[in-house]
Amino acid sequence: DGGITQSPKYLFRKEGQNVTLSCEQNLNHDAMYWYRQDPGQGLRLIYYSQIVNDFQKGDIAEGYSVSREKKESFPLTVTSAQKNPTAFYLCASSIPSGAYNEQFFGPGTRLTVL
Amino acid sequence: GIQVEQSPPDLILQEGANSTLRCNFSDSVNNLQWFHQNPWGQLINLFYIPSGTKQNGRLSATTVATERYSLLYISSSQTTDSGVYFCAVVDFGNEKLTFGTGTRLTIIP
Repeated sequence: DGGITQSPKYLFRKEGQNVTLSCEQNLNHDAMYWYRQDPGQGLRLIYYSQIVNDFQKGDIAEGYSVSREKKESFPLTVTSAQKNPTAFYLCASSIPSGAYNEQFFGPGTRLTVL
Repeated sequence: GIQVEQSPPDLILQEGANSTLRCNFSDSVNNLQWFHQNPWGQLINLFYIPSGTKQNGRLSATTVATERYSLLYISSSQTTDSGVYFCAVVDFGNEKLTFGTGTRLTIIP
């Protein structure tokens, strides 16, 4: 089945620890995105990548880092520098082909800092 | 940056009722998507509709790009329609989706 997978579904971490969230897609999409959602809010863009080995900061990149070594994978690291990391994290992918750039989302990871 | 406003913020309806959700945006767009976020948090794609009208079963959507708004229609509501509906847009010269704050729909049996 084609789709986007995120793991783990739930993640707990202690303050001061870095943690990495996984995002994998087998849709052969070039572009991948990471969003953060806080309770009762819409999604905000953290980082995005349109091609392997290249990525750009979104609106709220501080305290996060990413890598894009393979087309299928776009892991997000939440570092200890992120002041308020407890949130729901969603990964998406798309084919940025001219005017058509519909994004599809994975099931998300809920991160709780204890 | 582009602003996206959704209305109403909350909507409570009896099963079987019809509803209209609205999305206003402040600039021209080349992508507009409607999503349904279910109680588990999954974002489900409903429509990719930068302009025109589309229908999928009990759901339909219309985007009037020149007037900078989009409407999502849900007919004969079912309890499984409950959740949060988001509108998201990409403006020209940009590559990211900007989300509205959503409409929370509750369908009562």
